[in-house]
Amino acid sequence: ETGVTQTPRHLVMGMTNKKSLKCEQHLGHNAMYWYKQSAKKPLELMFVYNFKEQTENNSVPSRFSPECPNSSHLFLHLHTLQPEDSALYLCASSQGLAGGGGRGYTFGSGTRLTVV
Amino acid sequence: GENVEQHPSTLSVQEGDSAVIKCTYSDSASNYFPWYKQELGKGPQLIIDIRSNVGEKKDQRIAVTLNKTAKHFSLHITETQPEDSAVYFCAASLVGGYQKVTFGTGTKLQVIP
Repeated sequence: ETGVTQTPRHLVMGMTNKKSLKCEQHLGHNAMYWYKQSAKKPLELMFVYNFKEQTENNSVPSRFSPECPNSSHLFLHLHTLQPEDSALYLCASSQGLAGGGGRGYTFGSGTRLTVV
Repeated sequence: GENVEQHPSTLSVQEGDSAVIKCTYSDSASNYFPWYKQELGKGPQLIIDIRSNVGEKKDQRIAVTLNKTAKHFSLHITETQPEDSAVYFCAASLVGGYQKVTFGTGTKLQVIP
């Protein structure tokens, strides 16, 4: 257990479905992130929240919609996804932005998403 | 923007041997370089990091070296064990300013018993 919990661990959804990924941290961190991890590609930053305010949207398609109700919880709402969106979605948190304020990120174990 | 290149993409070593993974970065302003280990079915975990005011840092069997002039940094694992088998990612960023963390593409390390 790393301190960042992601649910569900696995998700299979059809292209017309709507689902949500959940991330929770009780580390007292103020920044939370969504990353996409695809095979043989670098980690792709999707969204950044600092003190529950979105500070970055890295040109992510609108079929991905983040929500951060407080500094401890982060959601990623999914709708009308494409098969190429299949990947491991990682949530991370840090104390301070930009490299985690010099203390790195704490990642969750991820949600393995398969779009059929 | 920052660009981080990581080599090799795969590495196999015999148990007990050393492993070295190398990364180069492009932005001379970057000053924080963490390394992450990702085991199967888990998210990346920070294992060691180094700031640009330090040339080397050690933690038991792992060490990281940084050459600011050449803009490259390396991860060294000595006396490798099967549990070291994982994917390792390097990253670069700027502390004290807002800049995205840039990750390398990862190195899959296999330690052969």
